Amino acid sequence: DAGVIQSPRHEVTEMGQEVTLRCKPISGHNSLFWYRQTMMRGLELLIYFNNNVPIDDSGMPEDRFSAKMPNASFSTLKIQPSEPRDSAVYFCASSLFPDNEKLFFGSGTQLSVL
Amino acid sequence: QKEVEQNSGPLSVPEGAIASLNCTYSDRGSQSFFWYRQYSGKSPELIMFIYSNGDKEDGRFTAQLNKASQYVSLLIRDSQPSDSATYLCAVAPNAGGTSYGKLTFGQGTILTVHP
Repeated sequence: DAGVIQSPRHEVTEMGQEVTLRCKPISGHNSLFWYRQTMMRGLELLIYFNNNVPIDDSGMPEDRFSAKMPNASFSTLKIQPSEPRDSAVYFCASSLFPDNEKLFFGSGTQLSVL
Repeated sequence: QKEVEQNSGPLSVPEGAIASLNCTYSDRGSQSFFWYRQYSGKSPELIMFIYSNGDKEDGRFTAQLNKASQYVSLLIRDSQPSDSATYLCAVAPNAGGTSYGKLTFGQGTILTVHP
């Protein structure tokens, strides 16, 4: 299996632009997580899905952030409009019931908002 | 108080020594505890997990859990330079059922093993 696949690996954009991050979880995994990592705040959970259904989005910082999981093999995290404080590494991770907490992380997307 | 606390380090140990990494958590009802390793510029990877009080050994790694003290630790025996990384402690909260895999991570401890 190729593992969790994220794209793009790097994204540089200007403030105000829309940013879309993509994730393909490991085939068969039924939980998907979006995390954000910064030096100041560490690894923060933004939102997670179980069987394609959003379970908890309380970590999404504000309405500018949205996430979707239209099917079991694809998820997106969108930021519109982007701001410099959104600059971070965004990780997608997936897991398989009953070992939901054993996360497999993708390589991450390094986002820089200028 | 942070939910999961770790000493950020850096912790520096000589090659061959035992590295001891510590973590405390605030939710007394937490049930599952994990250690993830993150090399610089890479993504976190799971290296150990523990559910019951006591010690759990896997190769050079030993996880220790003391729920009464709300304390988790990771020992790395015979430390190697390749162990140099950030070690993240993660706790699954007490969700009254299934946590669906929701984890709270500590800030991580930077470990440097020097030859």
